[in-house]
Amino acid sequence: DGGITQSPKYLFRKEGQNVTLSCEQNLNHDAMYWYRQDPGQGLRLIYYSQIVNDFQKGDIAEGYSVSREKKESFPLTVTSAQKNPTAFYLCASRIGFTEAFFGQGTRLTVV
Amino acid sequence: AQTVTQSQPEMSVQEAETVTLSCTYDTSENNYYLFWYKQPPSRQMILVIRQEAYKQQNATENRFSVNFQKAAKSFSLKISDSQLGDTAMYFCAFMSPTNGQNFVFGPGTRLSVLP
Repeated sequence: DGGITQSPKYLFRKEGQNVTLSCEQNLNHDAMYWYRQDPGQGLRLIYYSQIVNDFQKGDIAEGYSVSREKKESFPLTVTSAQKNPTAFYLCASRIGFTEAFFGQGTRLTVV
Repeated sequence: AQTVTQSQPEMSVQEAETVTLSCTYDTSENNYYLFWYKQPPSRQMILVIRQEAYKQQNATENRFSVNFQKAAKSFSLKISDSQLGDTAMYFCAFMSPTNGQNFVFGPGTRLSVLP
């Protein structure tokens, strides 16, 4: 079945540690996105990529980094520079002017 | 920059009744796309309905329909015959082909369907 897979579902980060969230899609979509969702709030764009080897900062990119070496993969690294990383992270992909398809999300907690 | 506003943080409706969720947006674009997404407690984002701005006819998907008023920049969602499974957060979203084709989401409306 085609879809978007995010892993892990739950992730715990210690202070000062970098962690990487995985996002893989087999939909052959060109565009991929990372969103952050805080409790009771909407989705805020962190990074997006329209094609391989190219990506752009979204509204809240500080403290995050991404790569897009393969069309299918768009991992997000939450660096130690992100001071408040506890949130729910959603990855999405899209082709053409269609809707975005979402993964099931990763809940990141700082311990 | 485009913005999306959902003025109802929370709403409730009795099972089998009809409810309308509001969404307004701000843009200077003429061609764009609007979406309603549902996020149930599982937190999976699910597309409910999609509307192209160049189409005057309002989109309909089974019990879900929209009232798209382009001049007023309004895009409300009507849920008919509400079911318990409709309980979720509902997000209105805007996408413009000229804005990097990125989605702009509203803050959401939490809908509770009461038995």
